[in-house]
Amino acid sequence: GAVVSQHPSWVICKSGTSVKIECRSLDFQATTMFWYRQFPKQSLMLMATSNEGSKATYEQGVEKDKFLINHASLTLSTLTVTSAHPEDSSFYICSVLPPLALQETQYFGPGTRLLVL
Amino acid sequence: QQQVKQSPQSLIVQKGGISIINCAYENTAFDYFPWYQQFPGKGPALLIAIRPDVSEKKEGRFTISFNKSAKQFSLHIMDSQPGDSATYFCAASSTGTASKLTFGTGTRLQVTL
Repeated sequence: GAVVSQHPSWVICKSGTSVKIECRSLDFQATTMFWYRQFPKQSLMLMATSNEGSKATYEQGVEKDKFLINHASLTLSTLTVTSAHPEDSSFYICSVLPPLALQETQYFGPGTRLLVL
Repeated sequence: QQQVKQSPQSLIVQKGGISIINCAYENTAFDYFPWYQQFPGKGPALLIAIRPDVSEKKEGRFTISFNKSAKQFSLHIMDSQPGDSATYFCAASSTGTASKLTFGTGTRLQVTL
């Protein structure tokens, strides 16, 4: 099946610094990727839809200037948490939407755990 | 209207028993209903999915029951095993595919020996 990788798997940073998380689609080219945030024992909340070659679409309440998304190629999307604060500590998960004929599921990455001190 | 309500929040089942997780939705435009399984520290993985043109779908020990008129769907895990211990999320989409999913709140399943 499709494989999605994320890097890093976990990161600890100081408050005020920026952190970049990479999401790679290893099995197919993906024009659409999604970024989710998951707090402990809670559901996945969609943050934004990342579209290759165009601006990301952010969900209501998500600050686009704080969570910068870049989908520079068909296999790579990045999420940068700018000026991170402790309340940004969370589990960030990306997913890849396969080509139309295979869209029975999104394929999720293993997640990145961010801890902001 | 975009919510998907999931219950119970947690569930303990003995090995060999049946685990049942329920979801309800309001948005009648939803037309694709997947279930995901998530182990701690990992991303979710598709378990089974159904579309509203059928009332039941079975794959191995996993069955989805779908009630369109009640706007409810459920996951049944037969012969539950300790390896099934995970968090389960129902989801729904109005695109007929997995292109935009609304997730339920999750159910933590523990299967005891």
